[in-house]
Amino acid sequence: EADIYQTPRYLVIGTGKKITLECSQTMGHDKMYWYQQDPGMELHLIHYSYGVNSTEKGDLSSESTVSRIRTEHFPLTLESARPSHTSQYLCASSPGQLIYSPLHFGNGTRLTVT
Amino acid sequence: AQRVTQPEKLLSVFKGAPVELKCNYSYSGSPELFWYVQYSRQRLQLLLRHISRESIKGFTADLNKGETSFHLKKPFAQEEDSAMYYCALRGSSNDYKLSFGAGTTVTVRA
Repeated sequence: EADIYQTPRYLVIGTGKKITLECSQTMGHDKMYWYQQDPGMELHLIHYSYGVNSTEKGDLSSESTVSRIRTEHFPLTLESARPSHTSQYLCASSPGQLIYSPLHFGNGTRLTVT
Repeated sequence: AQRVTQPEKLLSVFKGAPVELKCNYSYSGSPELFWYVQYSRQRLQLLLRHISRESIKGFTADLNKGETSFHLKKPFAQEEDSAMYYCALRGSSNDYKLSFGAGTTVTVRA
């Protein structure tokens, strides 16, 4: 079934560890995004990609990095996790050509750094 | 710079009562505006977009460029409308990124 998948759903990790949050979509969408969601706060765009080998930083400064080697895969990496990285991370995708097309979101990864 | 403001963090209404969620934006050009909804234990999903001028699940939203607002309304709230609602803005026809507000949590009581 065409969808967007995020793994893991929950992750508890110690300070200083390197982590990668996975995001894959099977809808053939060109555009992919990472948002950070905290209670009572705006969803903040931290990274986006408009196609393979294209990545940009979003509006919110983030210490994470992303890569887009394949259309369907857009992983987010934290080289050294800190408690300030504790948050919900949402991955989304949208079709390439339609200006008004909606974003399709994954279920999110809730990250806790102890 | 573009910004979306949702002044109400929490909204509680009785079943059958009207509900209105406020959304104001700041953007110098012609924006595209959306409402997204997140039901309990479900993923964030599109509710409606202003360009479609549609009514979804009884909800409507009108873009008022003079007041820079895009309020979401429903005349008779139902318990299944309880959810988190986000207003979102896309600022340019060449820019596919969405800016979201802080969200409003709606609780519909029986």
